[in-house]
Amino acid sequence: DQQVKQNSPSLSVQEGRISILNCDYTNSMFDYFLWYKKYPAEGPTFLISISSIKDKNEDGRFTVFLNKSAKHLSLHIVPSQPGDSAVYFCAASTNTGNQFYFGTGTSLTVIP
Amino acid sequence: GAGVSQSPRYKVAKRGQDVALRCDPISGHVSLFWYQQALGQGPEFLTYFQNEAQLDKSGLPSDRFFAERPEGSVSTLKIQRTQQEDSAVYLCASSLNSGRYNEQFFGPGTRLTVL
Repeated sequence: DQQVKQNSPSLSVQEGRISILNCDYTNSMFDYFLWYKKYPAEGPTFLISISSIKDKNEDGRFTVFLNKSAKHLSLHIVPSQPGDSAVYFCAASTNTGNQFYFGTGTSLTVIP
Repeated sequence: GAGVSQSPRYKVAKRGQDVALRCDPISGHVSLFWYQQALGQGPEFLTYFQNEAQLDKSGLPSDRFFAERPEGSVSTLKIQRTQQEDSAVYLCASSLNSGRYNEQFFGPGTRLTVL
């Protein structure tokens, strides 16, 4: 039972344009969300997080938006750069335990 | 700088063999996590250690899977009598302190292939 879903396996964007990666979740108890970036043959690296008390968090070119009523979050990257080409995972957790639930990932390709 | 390291990076096992996967977390990190990532999937939680104590093993898929961290640093994930469905990348992550708001640093993973 996949509690965190990323329905777009891949996305291609021109350099300089906005990349929007989407994530949906089913568990209403999730209250903390993260995005990870993964290059081939490396482990995921933390990118940005958001708590459910907020609806937006921004860090440089990266902004995460949370819509709790829709159980949806998105990651915006602007402007996109070729170095952003990677697989992006969203993850979520509840306030009990230490588990994070990951989506299946979206492979982003930024075309120079 | 020294990140999380894992060995071996690749392991091929015949069905029924036992394997041991090693994780060296960042020095001083209290928390250690193991994840299993099947092809085309996201990482799935297996188990969590705080120092040497295994506080959560709810994600271990069967009693063939066993993890330990006897001195609160290096951890080993052991899989007995491997099956083809065990083929996956096994990721280890560590964080400085306990609690979910502490950033997890991932190792590169061990790719296990069971023939």
